Amino acid sequence: KNEVEQSPQNLTAQEGEFITINCSYSVGISALHWLQQHPGGGIVSLFMLSSGKKKHGRLIATINIQEKHSSLHITASHPRDSAVYICAANTPSNYQLIWGAGTKLIIKP
Amino acid sequence: GAGVSQSPSNKVTEKGKDVELRCDPISGHTALYWYRQSLGQGLEFLIYFQGNSAPDKSGLPSDRFSAERTGGSVSTLTIQRTQQEDSAVYLCASSWAGPGQKAFFGQGTRLTVV
Repeated sequence: KNEVEQSPQNLTAQEGEFITINCSYSVGISALHWLQQHPGGGIVSLFMLSSGKKKHGRLIATINIQEKHSSLHITASHPRDSAVYICAANTPSNYQLIWGAGTKLIIKP
Repeated sequence: GAGVSQSPSNKVTEKGKDVELRCDPISGHTALYWYRQSLGQGLEFLIYFQGNSAPDKSGLPSDRFSAERTGGSVSTLTIQRTQQEDSAVYLCASSWAGPGQKAFFGQGTRLTVV
């Protein structure tokens, strides 16, 4: 079993839909990252969370430390949101990153 | 190998010394990426290889940083005259084709410059 698991692996939705991507982890963490890999290849760090909730534009990330679960939400989704979304966990040593497998999101116009 | 392999996993070096970080991508993957994560920060893109050529070097922070890839496989990231601000986890990723394909990541090399 992977230490960081994401679901779903693939998600196709219509423009305007509310999107949720889930990340569960089984290790102790100091922080959890949500990353976006553009079709152009570059990776952008969206959020780094250690507790609670963060919001940036149409993106919202939440984390529940007790349940070892984080979610990434996209409101009013748009085709330009199409990308691979990855969660990655920092271990307490702040050394290794443990990566989820990624969720490929396609938003259709 | 089964996954992306990076070495060393941990490197401590003195300020001013040169270091080489190695990445072995998944066999058959033509695209290779280097990123770094400074303590408490998000990921920073460094360079992208397609085969042995680097179409995008835009993320290399200074001319002290260079990277090469040989045989369309192994890549080496070299940092010359290391500075304390170079301390970070350096991550390598590979994918089957170019951008747009899902990338698989190594566990990283933690570089500490003292």
